[in-house]
Amino acid sequence: ELKVEQNPLFLSMQEGKNYTIYCNYSTTSDRLYWYRQDPGKSLESLFVLLSNGAVKQEGRLMASLDTKARLSTLHITAAVHDLSATYFCAVGFNTNAGKSTFGDGTTLTVKP
Amino acid sequence: NAGVTQTPKFRVLKTGQSMTLLCAQDMNHEYMYWYRQDPGMGLRLIHYSVGEGTTAKGEVPDGYNVSRLKKQNFLLGLESAAPSQTSVYFCASSYSKGSLNYGYTFGSGTRLTVV
Repeated sequence: ELKVEQNPLFLSMQEGKNYTIYCNYSTTSDRLYWYRQDPGKSLESLFVLLSNGAVKQEGRLMASLDTKARLSTLHITAAVHDLSATYFCAVGFNTNAGKSTFGDGTTLTVKP
Repeated sequence: NAGVTQTPKFRVLKTGQSMTLLCAQDMNHEYMYWYRQDPGMGLRLIHYSVGEGTTAKGEVPDGYNVSRLKKQNFLLGLESAAPSQTSVYFCASSYSKGSLNYGYTFGSGTRLTVV
């Protein structure tokens, strides 16, 4: 059974600081997705990582994938309040109808 | 372009009542999914579909049925609602190019309360 573990589950940080969210998974896969969810809202796609060593960046967020370590990271640079949200990683497989298994999410609060 | 549209957005049911949640996508995606999201339990897959006329069970299918009579629509039914089905339900769709799947587009969600 595939397990996807995110840590930390809760993160409170000050504006301007850097931090990394980790996503570990238990079974070989080279499909990893990051989503953002604002309170009371739906999930929106942030990054799609489809190969070992993939790195994607958007603004203050950068995601990477190491399939050998079964690890993806979401790095936050110089956090701002607008980044406060819950971030989910999800692991997918080629032959699985595109299904993904989600981590429990990391709730990020950025304080002034 | 609407993407994925879910109706209704909110609903309160009495125990034992039935209802259908509708999901419609206009992106010609092959795959569609129903998830439920509960506090502390993340997103759990209820049912999914790989194409028109096909459905399959996910992680938590009991108490739910689905149908995909048209490619763009995926319906989730609750035949006899129970309080344990109080949750936020998300529909999602995705597509693949060759072996690459590009992740989900989510609907806005349905907040269901069963009393």
